[in-house]
Amino acid sequence: SQTIHQWPATLVQPVGSPLSLECTVEGTSNPNLYWYRQAAGRGLQLLFYSVGIGQISSEVPQNLSASRPQDRQFILSSKKLLLSDSGFYLCAWTPGQGNQPQHFGDGTRLSIL
Amino acid sequence: DQQVKQNSPSLSVQEGRISILNCDYTNSMFDYFLWYKKYPAEGPTFLISISSIKDKNEDGRFTVFLNKSAKHLSLHIVPSQPGDSAVYFCAASDRNRDDKIIFGKGTRLHILP
Repeated sequence: SQTIHQWPATLVQPVGSPLSLECTVEGTSNPNLYWYRQAAGRGLQLLFYSVGIGQISSEVPQNLSASRPQDRQFILSSKKLLLSDSGFYLCAWTPGQGNQPQHFGDGTRLSIL
Repeated sequence: DQQVKQNSPSLSVQEGRISILNCDYTNSMFDYFLWYKKYPAEGPTFLISISSIKDKNEDGRFTVFLNKSAKHLSLHIVPSQPGDSAVYFCAASDRNRDDKIIFGKGTRLHILP
């Protein structure tokens, strides 16, 4: 069966520090991968999605970037974190052929001090 | 522009009664609709979906109704149980375009003993 892993589960970082959150999917090939952010009191905002290695689409202009160095690995990064980057970050995947619901990881709670 | 709207931030329902969660959308090209359930500090869990060619889909205690003319869908949970207390997200996508799923802001459901 397919599983999705995100780490770390929680992270506290100072303003201006770099960020790297990792997501990996097991048990499937060529998945579509997604990064979402849930800010306090708000819904799930799509940040990035990828349909293949090295293919990244950005949904909103922001301080973050994403990379997909391997088929089942999706990384969310920042060179310098802002206070506004605080939130709950979620990775998700769907089978590459589409018409399927997204399946989410357990998320990373990021707090910027 | 919020394409998927959940206008009730919270809802309280007596255990054993029916819970009805509502969702409206604005994009007439959406053809696939989903409901997710989310507990605190966890990723959303897929509950049930419906294609635009149907007006009802049922899975156990969960039924989703779709009214395309009104651009409205609802999730019925009957009977409501204490474990149903969570945040419920409505989501929609245009499968002819891409696999991006647009989420509403969520409704927090409280099941009262």
